[in-house]
Amino acid sequence: RKEVEQDPGPFNVPEGATVAFNCTYSNSASQSFFWYRQDCRKEPKLLMSVYSSGNEDGRFTAQLNRASQYISLLIRDSKLSDSATYLCVVNMEAGGTSYGKLTFGQGTILTVHP
Amino acid sequence: DAGVIQSPRHEVTEMGQEVTLRCKPISGHNSLFWYRQTMMRGLELLIYFNNNVPIDDSGMPEDRFSAKMPNASFSTLKIQPSEPRDSAVYFCASSFHRGRNEKLFFGSGTQLSVL
Repeated sequence: RKEVEQDPGPFNVPEGATVAFNCTYSNSASQSFFWYRQDCRKEPKLLMSVYSSGNEDGRFTAQLNRASQYISLLIRDSKLSDSATYLCVVNMEAGGTSYGKLTFGQGTILTVHP
Repeated sequence: DAGVIQSPRHEVTEMGQEVTLRCKPISGHNSLFWYRQTMMRGLELLIYFNNNVPIDDSGMPEDRFSAKMPNASFSTLKIQPSEPRDSAVYFCASSFHRGRNEKLFFGSGTQLSVL
């Protein structure tokens, strides 16, 4: 089983649509969770952190369910510029010491069309 | 800030040749990570350093791969000898280690093609 698992997609949606991505992680001791975005032929960049209570940043909403070891990302009112690969990312370092080691999912490809 | 700087951007070499990838992290960052990305395997962590000390190299595929960080502003990833299956995009990333919500900054990557 992969440590961080995502539906690879691709998701093809029209502008204005709402789309949701899901992710599961294997290590129940994981402490920190993130969504990164990667444009074609570019480096990954942090989109948002995911907090236990859920959090929102404009059109983007992230949720965490620790009991089910599940993370989600919801994008409302999709824009053409949202087309990218979305990476689910987990810090699985246990205990009190963290060096910022992040484990990445395979990514979910999103294409928003006119 | 210039961000994480990697060189070269592209490298094409023949099987058996030595390849050296370079990385300059963001000034003030104390953690540095080398990742490899392929279509099949996604982003894989190869090795990471904290305060210039290698912490975990369990992701390094085999002895042909080695990495060094002689000082806080420079790191290298070396492949010797290179093989076609090493073809991938190699990313260097850095962060300032401060708890568990530190942001990871990536360089633009080195596209390596081994013929």
